[in-house]
Amino acid sequence: GAVVSQHPSRVICKSGTSVKIECRSLDFQATTMFWYRQFPKQSLMLMATSNEGSKATYEQGVEKDKFLINHASLTLSTLTVTSAHPEDSSFYICSPLGAGFTDTQYFGPGTRLTVL
Amino acid sequence: DAKTTQPPSMDCAEGRAANLPCNHSTISGNEYVYWYRQIHSQGPQYIIHGLKNNETNEMASLIITEDRKSSTLILPHATLRDTAVYYCIVRIYSGNTPLVFGKGTRLSVIA
Repeated sequence: GAVVSQHPSRVICKSGTSVKIECRSLDFQATTMFWYRQFPKQSLMLMATSNEGSKATYEQGVEKDKFLINHASLTLSTLTVTSAHPEDSSFYICSPLGAGFTDTQYFGPGTRLTVL
Repeated sequence: DAKTTQPPSMDCAEGRAANLPCNHSTISGNEYVYWYRQIHSQGPQYIIHGLKNNETNEMASLIITEDRKSSTLILPHATLRDTAVYYCIVRIYSGNTPLVFGKGTRLSVIA
């Protein structure tokens, strides 16, 4: 299967600061990137979808100005949580999709964000 | 909303087969059945997928009923490391449609 990495795996920050999460597809070119978040004891919820070189589209209820997504290259996408608050504490997971890998969706290992 | 129904939890004795059921009565003709699992604090892991024929790989077997309205994931010899939440998802085979996760089944493998 596809190899996907995320960095950092865990981050703790103070309220009001911004945090950047990187997602890399290591063995294929990701033309599309899905970002999910998962609150404790809940399932994964899709936050946004981005296509390389285009603006991301956000799911209902997800603030586009708060969760900035950059998908400028085919191997790297970033999610920046701006002015983070405790309610943004969650497990963030990326899932790249690309040529030759559209039949099966693979996921990154996730980033645990804790906002104090 | 997720288009599948799974029991919220199941237990299985270590070394025995784990049979995880899934109902997908509204599945469309071009939709596949996918199974993923999520071990605590990790990203989802792909297990297997199928359209209408039974499928087997090194991880599991997938049995799909003839009418395609339900399926069963079989882990032939469950180990403690198989303890996870298992998600059954229906999705078209290709394209840019993201997976939509339901609540899944929490499988606990007991020694």
